[in-house]
Amino acid sequence: NAGVTQTPKFRVLKTGQSMTLLCAQDMNHEYMYWYRQDPGMGLRLIHYSVGEGTTAKGEVPDGYNVSRLKKQNFLLGLESAAPSQTSVYFCASSDTSGTLEAFFGQGTRLTVV
Amino acid sequence: AQSVTQLDSQVPVFEEAPVELRCNYSSSVSVYLFWYVQYPNQGLQLLLKYLSGSTLVKSINGFEAEFNKSQTSFHLRKPSVHISDTAEYFCAVSETGGFKTIFGAGTRLFVKA
Repeated sequence: NAGVTQTPKFRVLKTGQSMTLLCAQDMNHEYMYWYRQDPGMGLRLIHYSVGEGTTAKGEVPDGYNVSRLKKQNFLLGLESAAPSQTSVYFCASSDTSGTLEAFFGQGTRLTVV
Repeated sequence: AQSVTQLDSQVPVFEEAPVELRCNYSSSVSVYLFWYVQYPNQGLQLLLKYLSGSTLVKSINGFEAEFNKSQTSFHLRKPSVHISDTAEYFCAVSETGGFKTIFGAGTRLFVKA
């Protein structure tokens, strides 16, 4: 059981470049989330989805876009990367039991130079 | 709006000593409470959770946390830590019936020999 899988694990971008981070889960979870983790700031929610075809803004959505075309996949896009987006990105999923216990991927370390 | 405050950013402790990691939250509605652990270069994984019932919850590796509604706290304790407990610990809260989980900034536990 793979759980939540993120690709890629590492990436270096130049300022202004674009990229897409892929998150896939095999637990048939309805809810999926993208967080960024920065030192001293914990995890901050970027965008989330409560089901296939839905997306919503989280705490820090500027500069990012997301899509949930298939229930098992949640894509995070950076259209024009900036150094401030250097971070570790985590995808998570949870079911609809109501507790929102989250299952996390291993993270993507992104550096924007 | 919910918020989570972890009162200590770093906690150094000697092996076999007791430890307490503090967490306070604010919410206007009923909540579920979680502690997640993150080992170096890994994603977060659930350590323990409070959903309802007994206010003292325990993990399989000796950690416990107590939900105190009057003090809006959910402190994590372990009577005797091991080197292998060195990790970052995140307190988190989700509102019953909500879609999102809010994380604290994290507490880095460093166990010294």
